[in-house]
Amino acid sequence: QKEVEQDPGPLSVPEGAIVSLNCTYSNSAFQYFMWYRQYSRKGPELLMYTYSSGNKEDGRFTAQVDKSSKYISLFIRDSQPSDSATYLCAMSAGDWNRLAFGKGNQVVVIP
Amino acid sequence: DSGVTQTPKHLITATGQRVTLRCSPRSGDLSVYWYQQSLDQGLQFLIQYYNGEERAKGNILERFSAQQFPDLHSELNLSSLELGDSALYFCASSVGLAGSQDTQYFGPGTRLTVL
Repeated sequence: QKEVEQDPGPLSVPEGAIVSLNCTYSNSAFQYFMWYRQYSRKGPELLMYTYSSGNKEDGRFTAQVDKSSKYISLFIRDSQPSDSATYLCAMSAGDWNRLAFGKGNQVVVIP
Repeated sequence: DSGVTQTPKHLITATGQRVTLRCSPRSGDLSVYWYQQSLDQGLQFLIQYYNGEERAKGNILERFSAQQFPDLHSELNLSSLELGDSALYFCASSVGLAGSQDTQYFGPGTRLTVL
């Protein structure tokens, strides 16, 4: 079993819809939970991170962590065509030098 | 632009060959990381160097090796290449402070195709 599971299925949504992405994990030592965004032909870039359980909001983006269920989510409200990218979850037990990534979800927002 | 540069952008080679990928970290960053990204495995951590010394090792094959030079640029050497080594190879850099939220900044990647 991989440490981080992310269903890599592509997701197409109309502009303005809410995008919901999630990951599950098996390592209970994970404390930092991140979401990276990767545009086509580019490297991943850190979108936001959360420490331990709870919610974090940044503009149209909300990250949720439920450590009891080992489940994290990313919500994108009022999605825009510029949000079209691959979103990868990543996790760390402590130091951020060893990140475990999910496979990523390709999101396409249709104008 | 993350400030991390990688060369070359694309590399096409044959099985059994050896290639070298190059990475220059952001100015001021002491840590360099190498990742392999493929469709079936996703983004896999290979190895990390900090100020010239190996700090952490991930799923790096014995046929692969890396080093970080005094000017902090890093090279990833891939030898006895197999078809399955075809992937995107990313370099990332960070300040390198231990025990902190040390954000990694990724380069644009090198696409390796082994024929």
